[in-house]
Amino acid sequence: AQSVTQLDSQVPVFEEAPVELRCNYSSSVSVYLFWYVQYPNQGLQLLLKYLSGSTLVKGINGFEAEFNKSQTSFHLRKPSVHISDTAEYFCAVSPYGTSGSRLTFGEGTQLTVNP
Amino acid sequence: GAGVSQSPSNKVTEKGKDVELRCDPISGHTALYWYRQSLGQGLEFLIYFQGNSAPDKSGLPSDRFSAERTGGSVSTLTIQRTQQEDSAVYLCASSGDGNSGNTIYFGEGSWLTVV
Repeated sequence: AQSVTQLDSQVPVFEEAPVELRCNYSSSVSVYLFWYVQYPNQGLQLLLKYLSGSTLVKGINGFEAEFNKSQTSFHLRKPSVHISDTAEYFCAVSPYGTSGSRLTFGEGTQLTVNP
Repeated sequence: GAGVSQSPSNKVTEKGKDVELRCDPISGHTALYWYRQSLGQGLEFLIYFQGNSAPDKSGLPSDRFSAERTGGSVSTLTIQRTQQEDSAVYLCASSGDGNSGNTIYFGEGSWLTVV
């Protein structure tokens, strides 16, 4: 079984500041890792995912995340945020190399970007 | 269609009534998922369909919940004798196949309120 912990439920930042949203996971098997974003009254949209290879993954809207296997973390970062980045962000995992596997999500982090 | 389509987008129902929520996945996608998103519970897996295989129903919270997928495409989630704790956003998602590394695409959700 897998579990995901997002360490901050809410992160307020000012526009153009850097931000880091933290995610740790627990799993007895290797996992794929994902970050999804949910804008108000919308569904979830994939930001980026880590499958293999380089541990630094770049996604849409200037976001990136780094997989750290020893720390079982997959933190999301952006060097300069915009008002439009205000949304809820979900970290998720699924077991590596299997079919029929669903995503296990963290509780979400609400990012609020203030002017 | 271009994305995962869900209907209705909003539903208010009286306690004890049955409701049906519909999902039309991305054309050609063989994997279909239902998730529930409620306050304080995060994103909760409900059920997974892959092609003609038997569905994974392990996430359904009670026998009041059921789902079917006709013709390998459209899916209907049925909740019988609704209770107030069923109030949530029900998200449908699809992916090309059930491979755990594939991107899962989400619809905008059906907001269910039980009064």
